[in-house]
Amino acid sequence: AQTVTQSQPEMSVQEAETVTLSCTYDTSESDYYLFWYKQPPSRQMILVIRQEAYKQQNATENRFSVNFQKAAKSFSLKISDSQLGDAAMYFCAYAGGFKTIFGAGTRLFVKA
Amino acid sequence: GAGVSQSPSNKVTEKGKDVELRCDPISGHTALYWYRQRLGQGLEFLIYFQGNSAPDKSGLPSDRFSAERTGESVSTLTIQRTQQEDSAVYLCASSLEVRSYEQYFGPGTRLTVT
Repeated sequence: AQTVTQSQPEMSVQEAETVTLSCTYDTSESDYYLFWYKQPPSRQMILVIRQEAYKQQNATENRFSVNFQKAAKSFSLKISDSQLGDAAMYFCAYAGGFKTIFGAGTRLFVKA
Repeated sequence: GAGVSQSPSNKVTEKGKDVELRCDPISGHTALYWYRQRLGQGLEFLIYFQGNSAPDKSGLPSDRFSAERTGESVSTLTIQRTQQEDSAVYLCASSLEVRSYEQYFGPGTRLTVT
């Protein structure tokens, strides 16, 4: 069975600095997708970035980028130039075989 | 267009009562998912619907939980004889189809069982 592990329950970053959130997963499939979702206090889950497993190039969306290491089954999220509005829970998700599995989440605090 | 909507936003019920939670997916999205999120935890998959195919109910925690979907529109999640451990936020999401995987979430229903 597939699993997703986020080993950092909480992270903290100074405004304008860079932070990296870790995610590892386990699967025997070769075709799958990986996602990072953000959940602010409003509870609304927002898609931050997606990565197709067949693509070697790391996905980038403005200040958000990933480091996808397929062989190591690692999918970390880098947030550059952190802003106060980035404070939220971040969930890593694996999608494949008609299922999406979420990690336990990392709470990100941003200090002014 | 409009996003995924859920109602009610909050629901407080007494132990033993039945509750119905509603989800309106994005128009044109054939796949619809229900998740449960306990306080401070991740998302727990409950059920998904894909078009007219039989739903995948493998995540439903007990036979007190059931869900229906009419065609490719509204879905209701019903919890019978609620228990205190059912207290959680129930999130609904939709996607173009189950293989597209990119899910759009509603704001959730916070259920409190007293």
